[in-house]
Amino acid sequence: AQSVSQHNHHVILSEAASLELGCNYSYGGTVNLFWYVQYPGQHLQLLLKYFSGDPLVKGIKGFEAEFIKSKFSFNLRKPSVQWSDTAEYFCAVSPVPGGGNKLTFGTGTQLKVEL
Amino acid sequence: DTAVSQTPKYLVTQMGNDKSIKCEQNLGHDTMYWYKQDSKKFLKIMFSYNNKELIINETVPNRFSPKSPDKAHLNLHINSLELGDSAVYFCASSLETRLAGNNEQFFGPGTRLTVL
Repeated sequence: AQSVSQHNHHVILSEAASLELGCNYSYGGTVNLFWYVQYPGQHLQLLLKYFSGDPLVKGIKGFEAEFIKSKFSFNLRKPSVQWSDTAEYFCAVSPVPGGGNKLTFGTGTQLKVEL
Repeated sequence: DTAVSQTPKYLVTQMGNDKSIKCEQNLGHDTMYWYKQDSKKFLKIMFSYNNKELIINETVPNRFSPKSPDKAHLNLHINSLELGDSAVYFCASSLETRLAGNNEQFFGPGTRLTVL
Protein backbone atom coordinates (compact mmCIF):
# COMPACT_ATOMS: atom_id res chain seq x y z
CA ALA A 1 0.00 0.00 0.00
CA GLN A 2 1.12 3.52 -0.65
CA SER A 3 1.85 6.11 2.02
CA VAL A 4 2.60 9.82 1.94
CA SER A 5 4.70 11.90 4.32
CA GLN A 6 4.58 15.63 4.71
CA HIS A 7 7.32 16.63 7.09
CA ASN A 8 6.33 20.25 7.67
CA HIS A 9 3.20 20.28 9.78
CA HIS A 10 3.09 24.00 10.43
CA VAL A 11 4.82 26.69 8.41
CA ILE A 12 4.71 30.42 9.11
CA LEU A 13 6.01 32.83 6.50
CA SER A 14 5.95 36.53 5.86
CA GLU A 15 4.40 37.82 2.67
CA ALA A 16 6.77 37.68 -0.31
CA ALA A 17 8.82 34.89 1.24
CA SER A 18 9.48 31.79 -0.83
CA LEU A 19 7.70 28.55 -0.01
CA GLU A 20 8.72 24.94 -0.29
CA LEU A 21 6.61 22.19 1.23
CA GLY A 22 8.02 18.69 1.31
CA CYS A 23 6.18 15.57 0.18
CA ASN A 24 7.60 12.06 0.02
CA TYR A 25 5.73 8.94 -0.88
CA SER A 26 6.27 5.25 -0.50
CA TYR A 27 5.04 2.86 -3.17
CA GLY A 28 6.65 0.13 -5.22
CA GLY A 29 5.16 1.12 -8.54
CA THR A 30 4.13 4.09 -10.62
CA VAL A 31 2.00 6.77 -9.03
CA ASN A 32 0.11 9.88 -9.99
CA LEU A 33 0.82 12.83 -7.72
CA PHE A 34 -1.39 15.68 -6.57
CA TRP A 35 -1.34 18.75 -4.39
CA TYR A 36 -4.65 19.91 -2.97
CA VAL A 37 -5.32 23.07 -0.96
CA GLN A 38 -8.01 23.64 1.66
CA TYR A 39 -8.66 27.29 2.49
CA PRO A 40 -10.18 27.96 5.91
CA GLY A 41 -13.71 26.64 6.03
CA GLN A 42 -13.67 25.51 2.43
CA HIS A 43 -13.46 22.27 0.49
CA LEU A 44 -10.37 20.83 -1.11
CA GLN A 45 -9.27 22.23 -4.45
CA LEU A 46 -6.68 20.86 -6.82
CA LEU A 47 -3.52 22.97 -7.09
CA LEU A 48 -1.64 20.79 -9.54
CA LYS A 49 -1.05 17.21 -10.62
CA TYR A 50 1.64 15.08 -12.20
CA PHE A 51 0.90 12.05 -14.35
CA SER A 52 3.82 11.82 -16.77
CA GLY A 53 6.19 13.89 -18.88
CA ASP A 54 7.94 17.02 -17.63
CA PRO A 55 8.59 16.47 -13.93
CA LEU A 56 8.18 20.17 -13.23
CA VAL A 57 4.48 20.95 -13.22
CA LYS A 58 2.82 24.30 -12.86
CA GLY A 59 -0.49 24.77 -11.18
CA ILE A 60 -2.87 27.53 -10.27
CA LYS A 61 -2.02 30.66 -8.32
CA GLY A 62 1.68 30.54 -9.13
CA PHE A 63 2.36 27.18 -7.50
CA GLU A 64 4.64 24.57 -9.01
CA ALA A 65 5.93 21.17 -7.98
CA GLU A 66 8.80 18.98 -9.04
CA PHE A 67 8.66 15.22 -9.20
CA ILE A 68 12.01 13.64 -8.37
CA LYS A 69 11.55 9.93 -8.96
CA SER A 70 14.85 8.91 -7.38
CA LYS A 71 13.87 10.64 -4.16
CA PHE A 72 10.19 9.66 -4.24
CA SER A 73 9.45 13.33 -3.71
CA PHE A 74 6.96 15.85 -5.05
CA ASN A 75 7.71 19.13 -3.30
CA LEU A 76 5.46 22.15 -3.71
CA ARG A 77 6.98 25.56 -4.32
CA LYS A 78 5.95 29.17 -4.74
CA PRO A 79 8.50 31.95 -5.17
CA SER A 80 6.52 34.62 -3.33
CA VAL A 81 3.61 33.83 -1.03
CA GLN A 82 0.65 36.05 -0.33
CA TRP A 83 -1.54 36.39 2.74
CA SER A 84 -4.31 34.70 0.77
CA ASP A 85 -2.19 31.53 0.52
CA THR A 86 -2.92 30.82 4.19
CA ALA A 87 -4.43 27.35 4.03
CA GLU A 88 -3.89 23.66 4.61
CA TYR A 89 -1.92 21.90 1.86
CA PHE A 90 -2.24 18.21 1.15
CA CYS A 91 -0.04 16.01 -0.98
CA ALA A 92 -1.70 12.88 -2.38
CA VAL A 93 -0.84 9.90 -4.55
CA SER A 94 -2.80 7.33 -6.50
CA PRO A 95 -1.34 4.12 -7.94
CA VAL A 96 -1.05 3.35 -11.63
CA PRO A 97 -2.63 1.27 -12.95
CA GLY A 98 -5.72 0.26 -11.11
CA GLY A 99 -6.46 1.19 -7.55
CA GLY A 100 -9.75 2.74 -8.49
CA ASN A 101 -8.20 6.20 -8.28
CA LYS A 102 -7.70 5.68 -4.59
CA LEU A 103 -6.08 8.83 -3.28
CA THR A 104 -3.83 8.48 -0.28
CA PHE A 105 -3.25 11.80 1.43
CA GLY A 106 -0.42 13.07 3.55
CA THR A 107 -1.16 14.55 6.96
CA GLY A 108 -1.22 18.07 5.57
CA THR A 109 0.81 21.22 6.15
CA GLN A 110 -0.78 24.25 7.75
CA LEU A 111 0.63 27.36 6.10
CA LYS A 112 0.14 30.73 7.72
CA VAL A 113 1.27 33.81 5.84
CA GLU A 114 1.70 36.93 7.92
CA LEU A 115 1.44 40.47 6.61
CA ASP B 1 -24.03 25.65 -10.50
CA THR B 2 -22.56 23.76 -7.56
CA ALA B 3 -20.46 20.85 -8.82
CA VAL B 4 -20.48 18.56 -5.76
CA SER B 5 -22.98 19.33 -3.06
CA GLN B 6 -23.53 17.78 0.34
CA THR B 7 -26.34 18.06 2.84
CA PRO B 8 -26.40 18.87 5.62
CA LYS B 9 -23.40 21.12 6.15
CA TYR B 10 -23.53 20.63 9.91
CA LEU B 11 -24.96 17.69 11.81
CA VAL B 12 -25.09 17.50 15.59
CA THR B 13 -26.56 14.37 17.12
CA GLN B 14 -26.53 12.10 20.13
CA MET B 15 -24.60 8.86 20.49
CA GLY B 16 -26.56 5.86 19.30
CA ASN B 17 -28.57 7.73 16.70
CA ASP B 18 -28.69 6.87 12.99
CA LYS B 19 -27.99 9.62 10.48
CA SER B 20 -27.47 10.10 6.76
CA ILE B 21 -25.41 12.50 4.70
CA LYS B 22 -26.35 13.11 1.10
CA CYS B 23 -24.06 13.88 -1.81
CA GLU B 24 -24.89 14.89 -5.36
CA GLN B 25 -22.70 15.82 -8.29
CA ASN B 26 -23.75 17.48 -11.52
CA LEU B 27 -20.45 17.02 -13.35
CA GLY B 28 -21.49 13.90 -15.25
CA HIS B 29 -18.87 11.87 -13.39
CA ASP B 30 -19.37 8.19 -12.81
CA THR B 31 -17.13 7.68 -9.80
CA MET B 32 -17.89 9.04 -6.36
CA TYR B 33 -16.07 8.85 -3.04
CA TRP B 34 -16.47 9.41 0.67
CA TYR B 35 -13.56 10.67 2.78
CA LYS B 36 -13.29 11.26 6.51
CA GLN B 37 -11.21 14.15 7.85
CA ASP B 38 -10.43 13.85 11.53
CA SER B 39 -9.68 16.57 14.06
CA LYS B 40 -6.04 16.63 13.00
CA LYS B 41 -7.09 17.30 9.40
CA PHE B 42 -5.99 13.82 8.27
CA LEU B 43 -7.99 12.73 5.22
CA LYS B 44 -8.72 9.09 4.60
CA ILE B 45 -10.81 7.44 1.94
CA MET B 46 -13.73 5.38 3.12
CA PHE B 47 -15.60 4.26 0.01
CA SER B 48 -15.67 4.64 -3.73
CA TYR B 49 -18.45 3.82 -6.17
CA ASN B 50 -18.23 3.57 -9.93
CA ASN B 51 -21.55 3.55 -11.77
CA LYS B 52 -23.31 2.43 -8.60
CA GLU B 53 -20.81 -0.37 -8.02
CA LEU B 54 -18.67 -0.40 -4.88
CA ILE B 55 -14.99 -0.45 -5.89
CA ILE B 56 -13.17 0.78 -2.79
CA ASN B 57 -14.18 -0.22 0.69
CA GLU B 58 -11.53 0.63 3.24
CA THR B 59 -11.48 -0.71 6.76
CA VAL B 60 -14.56 1.07 7.93
CA PRO B 61 -16.97 -0.19 10.62
CA ASN B 62 -20.03 -1.79 9.09
CA ARG B 63 -22.11 0.85 10.86
CA PHE B 64 -21.20 2.95 7.82
CA SER B 65 -23.15 2.03 4.71
CA PRO B 66 -22.88 3.92 1.44
CA LYS B 67 -25.78 3.88 -0.95
CA SER B 68 -25.69 4.95 -4.58
CA PRO B 69 -29.17 5.20 -6.13
CA ASP B 70 -27.65 6.46 -9.38
CA LYS B 71 -24.24 7.58 -10.53
CA ALA B 72 -24.92 11.21 -9.58
CA HIS B 73 -25.64 10.42 -5.94
CA LEU B 74 -23.71 8.73 -3.17
CA ASN B 75 -25.23 8.87 0.28
CA LEU B 76 -23.62 7.81 3.53
CA HIS B 77 -25.71 6.25 6.25
CA ILE B 78 -24.27 5.80 9.72
CA ASN B 79 -25.90 3.59 12.33
CA SER B 80 -25.40 3.73 16.08
CA LEU B 81 -23.25 6.83 16.03
CA GLU B 82 -20.23 6.92 18.35
CA LEU B 83 -18.17 9.79 19.71
CA GLY B 84 -15.29 8.78 17.46
CA ASP B 85 -17.41 9.33 14.38
CA SER B 86 -17.16 13.08 14.93
CA ALA B 87 -15.31 14.42 11.91
CA VAL B 88 -15.77 16.25 8.64
CA TYR B 89 -17.00 13.98 5.87
CA PHE B 90 -16.17 14.93 2.31
CA CYS B 91 -17.79 13.61 -0.80
CA ALA B 92 -15.88 13.72 -4.09
CA SER B 93 -16.38 12.69 -7.70
CA SER B 94 -14.27 12.05 -10.77
CA LEU B 95 -14.40 10.52 -14.19
CA GLU B 96 -14.09 6.75 -14.45
CA THR B 97 -10.60 5.86 -13.35
CA ARG B 98 -10.20 2.18 -12.80
CA LEU B 99 -7.09 1.89 -14.88
CA ALA B 100 -5.32 5.19 -15.06
CA GLY B 101 -6.01 6.60 -11.64
CA ASN B 102 -5.25 10.04 -12.94
CA ASN B 103 -8.50 11.86 -12.93
CA GLU B 104 -8.91 14.86 -10.70
CA GLN B 105 -11.32 14.42 -7.86
CA PHE B 106 -13.71 17.27 -7.19
CA PHE B 107 -14.64 17.68 -3.57
CA GLY B 108 -17.83 18.79 -1.92
CA PRO B 109 -17.94 21.40 0.87
CA GLY B 110 -17.94 18.80 3.63
CA THR B 111 -20.35 17.84 6.39
CA ARG B 112 -19.18 18.51 9.95
CA LEU B 113 -20.61 15.73 12.11
CA THR B 114 -20.55 16.19 15.87
CA VAL B 115 -21.61 13.30 18.06
CA LEU B 116 -22.46 14.24 21.65
